[in-house]
Amino acid sequence: EAGVVQSPRYKIIEKKQPVAFWCNPISGHNTLYWYRQNLGQGPELLIRYENEEAVDDSQLPKDRFSAERLKGVDSTLKIQPAELGDSAVYLCASSSTANYGYTFGSGTRLTVV
Amino acid sequence: KQEVTQIPAALSVPEGENLVLNCSFTDSAIYNLQWFRQDPGKGLTSLLLIQSSQREQTSGRLNASLDKSSGRSTLYIAASQPGDSATYLCAVRPGSGNTGKLIFGQGTTLQVKP
Repeated sequence: EAGVVQSPRYKIIEKKQPVAFWCNPISGHNTLYWYRQNLGQGPELLIRYENEEAVDDSQLPKDRFSAERLKGVDSTLKIQPAELGDSAVYLCASSSTANYGYTFGSGTRLTVV
Repeated sequence: KQEVTQIPAALSVPEGENLVLNCSFTDSAIYNLQWFRQDPGKGLTSLLLIQSSQREQTSGRLNASLDKSSGRSTLYIAASQPGDSATYLCAVRPGSGNTGKLIFGQGTTLQVKP
C-alpha cells in the first residue's frame, strides 16, 4: 500500500510570505493529523481531522495557520504570513480505526529567512 | 497532563552491542504506545505498536515492552548495527484513544559505531 505522501519536501521562504503544504493520507484512513516538529523536539499536534471535520484544532495558531481537508481525503496546511519561528518540520500522519496505529509522511522542512 | 520522557537523550555504542532505550509516561491511562524511528531530515517510521492490553511486541531484532502500572516502556535492540543509527521516539496515545492525539518524548539519538 502507498504510504502518506507529502509535498514539498523542502521549502525556503522569506518571512511574511505565505506557504502551503499538501498531504495525501493512506487510502481508507479516515483520521488525518498535522504535526509540527521543532529541532531536537518530538512532534506536537496542530490539528486532527475525522473525515472532513476538524475535531481538534486547539493547538493550531489560528491567526496565521489554516487547514482544510477536502472530501475527507487530501489535506492542505497553510501559513500566512510566515514568521521566523515557524521554521520546523511539518509532518502529516493518518491512522485507521482498526488499531489506531499512526503512519507518518516524510514531512516538509520549512525554513523561514 | 500526560508527559513523556526518554532517557538517555543520546547514546553511542560499538557495533554488536545489545542496548535498551527507555521511555516513561506520567499517566498510566493510555490506549497504546508506539515506537518510531527518525533518520536525519526524514519523517517518522513506525517500528512497534503496543496496545494497552499487551505487554510486549517484537519485530526482528527489536523488542518493545510496556508496563502501564509503572508508566514505562523499553525498546530493546539486539546486536546493534551502524544502520540502526537514528533518533528513536516514543509516543503514547492517551485514554480511550478517542482523542487521537499522540504525546511524544523528545527522543533518543543513537549512534552505532562500526
